[in-house]
Amino acid sequence: QVQLVQSGAEVKKPGASVKVSCKASGYTFTTYAMYWVRQAPGQGLEWMGWISVSTGQIKYPQKFQGRVTISRDTSASTAYMELSSLRSEDTAVYYCVRSRGYGEYWGQGTLVTVSS
Amino acid sequence: EVVMTQSPATLSVSPGERATLSCRASQSVSSGLAWYQQKPGQAPRLLIYGASTRATGVPARFSGSGSGTEFTLTISSLQFEDFAVYHCQQYNDWPMYTFGQGTKLEIK
Repeated sequence: QVQLVQSGAEVKKPGASVKVSCKASGYTFTTYAMYWVRQAPGQGLEWMGWISVSTGQIKYPQKFQGRVTISRDTSASTAYMELSSLRSEDTAVYYCVRSRGYGEYWGQGTLVTVSS
Repeated sequence: EVVMTQSPATLSVSPGERATLSCRASQSVSSGLAWYQQKPGQAPRLLIYGASTRATGVPARFSGSGSGTEFTLTISSLQFEDFAVYHCQQYNDWPMYTFGQGTKLEIK
């Protein structure tokens, strides 16, 4: 069965960076694109960027340009999301999503807490 | 960027009754609209894609309708397990997929 397993919770100080991983199993990793979504406490879902796993093409929304880096390692069937210059407003649960446009499969989420 | 607006923010309905949730897009997204259900502490679960196609395993009491800019999710007879937050997402504007802010469906 399809599974997306994310790395564990992180606590970071303001100004630091965090890198979250998402290991895929149960399907051919390069067949589907992936994207990342975050959810701040009590808030809605926010789309952070998309990667074509097969070609490596990446798209980010304007809001995160220059601060987020999405990548993948096809040999490890793993996608990554790195967010830099962290601030308190980045405290959220981060999800990887297997994309068919809509999100058919989601990772379990990774809580990133930014606190001094 | 396509802005998605959901209404109402909170909907109070009694079990067994019908719930109707709305989602509006700032520009046409054709039928590129998905609905998700999210319970506390869980990842969102896909309910509807293509505006009206139920995902695998989703009960028939969930139905989606609409196209262009106006969309509706209807739950025909609410069960206790249906009380949750519902999100809409457009995926027509490749690949800048955007979400609404969510509707909380609570027990009246």
